[in-house]
Amino acid sequence: DVKVTQSSRYLVKRTGEKVFLECVQDMDHENMFWYRQDPGLGLRLIYFSYDVKMKEKGDIPEGYSVSREKKERFSLILESASTNQTSMYLCASSLDRYYEQYFGPGTRLTVT
Amino acid sequence: DQQVKQNSPSLSVQEGRISILNCDYTNSMFDYFLWYKKYPAEGPTFLISISSIKDKNEDGRFTVFLNKSAKHLSLHIVPSQPGDSAVYFCAASSEVSGTYKYIFGTGTRLKVLA
Repeated sequence: DVKVTQSSRYLVKRTGEKVFLECVQDMDHENMFWYRQDPGLGLRLIYFSYDVKMKEKGDIPEGYSVSREKKERFSLILESASTNQTSMYLCASSLDRYYEQYFGPGTRLTVT
Repeated sequence: DQQVKQNSPSLSVQEGRISILNCDYTNSMFDYFLWYKKYPAEGPTFLISISSIKDKNEDGRFTVFLNKSAKHLSLHIVPSQPGDSAVYFCAASSEVSGTYKYIFGTGTRLKVLA
């Protein structure tokens, strides 16, 4: 049974804090993705990675960075959290372009 | 610039009837399309996909139709069941600098009434 896990389901942080969101997949997938989901905006791609230590900016990378030191782990970093980063964050992985993405359960982040 | 659009934010259908969810795209480079279903407090789960070389793909109660000339795809659910009540996202894929990414629509909330 394929699995993508995210370190926290709910997180509350203060403005200016550094925030780490961790994602781990056990499917040996090359490709991993971070999205945020906001009402009326759907899922928007923040960053993706197609190999260890490789990363590509998605559509809304500003205010975020990522780290992929191991194949199974892809971390999203908010260097200095702001209230407009309050959102649901979703991690996904996929084997290949023509295969579906598997999503984690999401982390609901609130920045106060 | 929203490259993938789901113009209906919500849809209500009676149990047993057909649900039709629509999706439009603007980028002619998209060549692979997927539908996902999302329940509250869960990640999206894959439903069905279609390649641009096809115009129809079927999997049980779910059928996806692709009209390339109109840049339009639709998901048909027949018959609709109360458990189908969820938010549905369409996604489109294209190759980007030797790799790929998916662009998602804004979602349609389907409510199936018992």
